[in-house]
Amino acid sequence: RKEVEQDPGPFNVPEGATVAFNCTYSNSASQSFFWYRQDCRKEPKLLMSVYSSGNEDGRFTAQLNRASQYISLLIRDSKLSDSATYLCVVNPLIQGAQKLVFGQGTRLTINP
Amino acid sequence: EPEVTQTPSHQVTQMGQEVILRCVPISNHLYFYWYRQILGQKVEFLVSFYNNEISEKSEIFDDQFSVERPDGSNFTLKIRSTKLEDSAMYFCASSEAGGVSYEQYFGPGTRLTVT
Repeated sequence: RKEVEQDPGPFNVPEGATVAFNCTYSNSASQSFFWYRQDCRKEPKLLMSVYSSGNEDGRFTAQLNRASQYISLLIRDSKLSDSATYLCVVNPLIQGAQKLVFGQGTRLTINP
Repeated sequence: EPEVTQTPSHQVTQMGQEVILRCVPISNHLYFYWYRQILGQKVEFLVSFYNNEISEKSEIFDDQFSVERPDGSNFTLKIRSTKLEDSAMYFCASSEAGGVSYEQYFGPGTRLTVT
């Protein structure tokens, strides 16, 4: 089983739509979780951390279900600028220097 | 907004040559990392570095790789004898501290092409 597994995509949705991404992780001891976005041939950029209680940042909502080892990202009222690859990222280490484990990414294209 | 910088943006080298990739982490950050991304594949962890020592390394980070903080600002990744399969995007990242609460910020990457 892959350490971090994401929806294969690609997702093509019209502007204004709501889109949801899912991700599962294999290491039940994992401690921190993130969504990054990556534009073509660019660096990963932190979108948001994911907390057990769920968290929201504007149009973006992230949820974590530790029991199911499942992470989700919801984007509401999608914009053309949301087109990117979304990376589910897990950190399995408890302390010290952290080692991020990335999923393969899900490509999202927002169409006008 | 402070950011991680990397040089060069693109490096072309011949197989068997040594390359040094350079990074300047965010100034108050204490933990430094290297990741790589082969074209079309996922981002992979290589190594983390704290207090002038390697903290964690992956199985990719074998004897041909080394890291160094030669001065107070730079953080380097050296590949001693490059192979064709080392062609990838190499990202440097830094975090303010270790532990689960601290987020990593990535530099723009160096594209390494080995011919």
